[in-house]
Amino acid sequence: GAVVSQHPSRVICKSGTSVKIECRSLDFQATTMFWYRQFPKQSLMLMATSNEGSKATYEQGVEKDKFLINHASLTLSTLTVTSAHPEDSSFYICSARESTGDRGLAFFGQGTRLTVV
Amino acid sequence: QKEVEQNSGPLSVPEGAIASLNCTYSDRGSQSFFWYRQYSGKSPELIMFIYSNGDKEDGRFTAQLNKASQYVSLLIRDSQPSDSATYLCAVTLYGNNRLAFGKGNQVVVIP
Repeated sequence: GAVVSQHPSRVICKSGTSVKIECRSLDFQATTMFWYRQFPKQSLMLMATSNEGSKATYEQGVEKDKFLINHASLTLSTLTVTSAHPEDSSFYICSARESTGDRGLAFFGQGTRLTVV
Repeated sequence: QKEVEQNSGPLSVPEGAIASLNCTYSDRGSQSFFWYRQYSGKSPELIMFIYSNGDKEDGRFTAQLNKASQYVSLLIRDSQPSDSATYLCAVTLYGNNRLAFGKGNQVVVIP
């Protein structure tokens, strides 16, 4: 299947600092990418939809000024967690569909485990 | 009503048995259906997709779709300990590029 690469896989940062997570589609172009957050033993929670060349669409309750999303090219989306706090510690996962339309398969990056100390 | 529901609790099956997972969805316009496997601490991995009513087999996995009943299932034959994971059901939403996910079902295969 198609490959989505996410980096870094694990990051520890101090409270108040910012962390950038990259998501790349390696063998296809993705006009749309999705960012999820998953707390231990809980289900995936969609945070936002990243659209190439335009503003991201955030889910209700997700602070757009705290979780900055940039989708500058058809193969790269970034999520920046600004002024991170311990409650932001979670597993962040990106996803991209290899094509638009109903039958486009969605693939996930490896995920980034963020720990804020 | 939730977009995708997976209501069963953790499923324990003996090695070699069949594991059966069920999923219902609310959007009658949904056209594509997916099953993902997620190991603890890892991201989801696509294992099956199905678009048409009926059965689709891939190795030890069989996906079953019934659009009239808005029901999709996954069978795992000859279950192995390596199949122990959480299985996520996902469907496309009509007019929307994102997938809607169920909360997942944990499968434990007992040697």
